[in-house]
Amino acid sequence: EVQLVESGGGLVQPGGSLRLSCAASGFTFRSYEMTWVRQAPGKGLEWVSYISSSGSHIYYADSVKGRFTISRDNANNSLYLQMNSLSAEDTAVYYCARVHSQELWVFDNWGQGTLVTVSS
Amino acid sequence: QSVLTQPPSVSGAPGQKVTISCIGSSSNIGEGYDVHWYQQFPGTAPKLLIYANSNRPSGVPDRFSGSKSGTSASLAITGLQAEDEADYYCQSYDTRLSGSVVFGGGTKLTVL
Repeated sequence: EVQLVESGGGLVQPGGSLRLSCAASGFTFRSYEMTWVRQAPGKGLEWVSYISSSGSHIYYADSVKGRFTISRDNANNSLYLQMNSLSAEDTAVYYCARVHSQELWVFDNWGQGTLVTVSS
Repeated sequence: QSVLTQPPSVSGAPGQKVTISCIGSSSNIGEGYDVHWYQQFPGTAPKLLIYANSNRPSGVPDRFSGSKSGTSASLAITGLQAEDEADYYCQSYDTRLSGSVVFGGGTKLTVL
């Protein structure tokens, strides 16, 4: 069974930093592209970032470009999101998701999410 | 305002059919990019419902179907059941600016 478990969320002050982690199991992590999607309280889904299976290709939404860094550790089946210069607009539940093996930009399995709250 | 436009809400009685639209433009759906649909219950993660316009992942009932035409797509749910009450999101890819995955604003389905 595919499992994705996010951690690292919490309360952070504006301008602060946070690092999210996503532990993957139940599939060959190194073979899959991965992504982060967030959802502000009471709002819709917003794509954040993507990383290829090897980590050689990385993309970001314009809203986080230059502030967030996605990375992965295939040896430890883990995905990360380093978030810097956080503002209230970054408050959201952050989901890691697996990209479908044959369909680009299809997110076929999601974690339960971790809440990031940016507030003073 | 979302790049893909969905109605904020739809409703239907048990057993009926409902359709949720997803209107895009020439830079996303109209450019030929596939549309995918997700179902989300309150307090839970989204679940892939339809991918590549009309394909169902294993385990998704055939009451759920998707279609795409021109710059828009639709999700149809037939034989509506109480457990279908959820939020539904469409998703595609947009070529504007540096390119990006885009979601619709979401549609709340209420089963009357």
